[in-house]
Amino acid sequence: EPEVTQTPSHQVTQMGQEVILRCVPISNHLYFYWYRQILGQKVEFLVSFYNNEISEKSEIFDDQFSVERPDGSNFTLKIRSTKLEDSAMYFCASAETQGTNEKLFFGSGTQLSVL
Amino acid sequence: DQQVKQNSPSLSVQEGRISILNCDYTNSMFDYFLWYKKYPAEGPTFLISISSIKDKNEDGRFTVFLNKSAKHLSLHIVPSQPGDSAVYFCAAYTNAGKSTFGDGTTLTVKP
Repeated sequence: EPEVTQTPSHQVTQMGQEVILRCVPISNHLYFYWYRQILGQKVEFLVSFYNNEISEKSEIFDDQFSVERPDGSNFTLKIRSTKLEDSAMYFCASAETQGTNEKLFFGSGTQLSVL
Repeated sequence: DQQVKQNSPSLSVQEGRISILNCDYTNSMFDYFLWYKKYPAEGPTFLISISSIKDKNEDGRFTVFLNKSAKHLSLHIVPSQPGDSAVYFCAAYTNAGKSTFGDGTTLTVKP
């Protein structure tokens, strides 16, 4: 079965550094998402992306965050200047459709640790 | 303001019996709802969805019920199997794809 792949699986960075988390969605999917889960907390929506632009974003997704689909296969999340509270598991997801027939496929996540 | 709540942090059932996981929401503008299953160190896995215009959707051992007037949905798993042991999240979606997840319920199915 096709799957969403995320790299790296673990990322350690110093506070204030920039990080880029990478995702390869399923090839025929058109809708892309980033979520995060802080240890012991719920999964939180960050952003949805369709047709090369952001469709929706949450309050968490401030100016420090950006997303890009640079080459038609990768979907990246950039955090410009990381903070300690950005430490979390970040999940990428993709879907072929959106709406009531939506089936969202998640990657295995990137564990980001900000020191 | 927690728009999606799963009030039971954990649930334990015997193999072969029914598991019922509950979810309440406050925003009547949610367009559809999804249930996910999650194992440690893995991403969530889609289980089943339901549109806000339906009251029931069934897929094999999984059935989701939606009571719009009560703003309540539930996931029924029958019969429960030990492999169903995981954390279950309900998530509510707007038609633009913005989602709000519940806190999750840890289901343990005992052999």
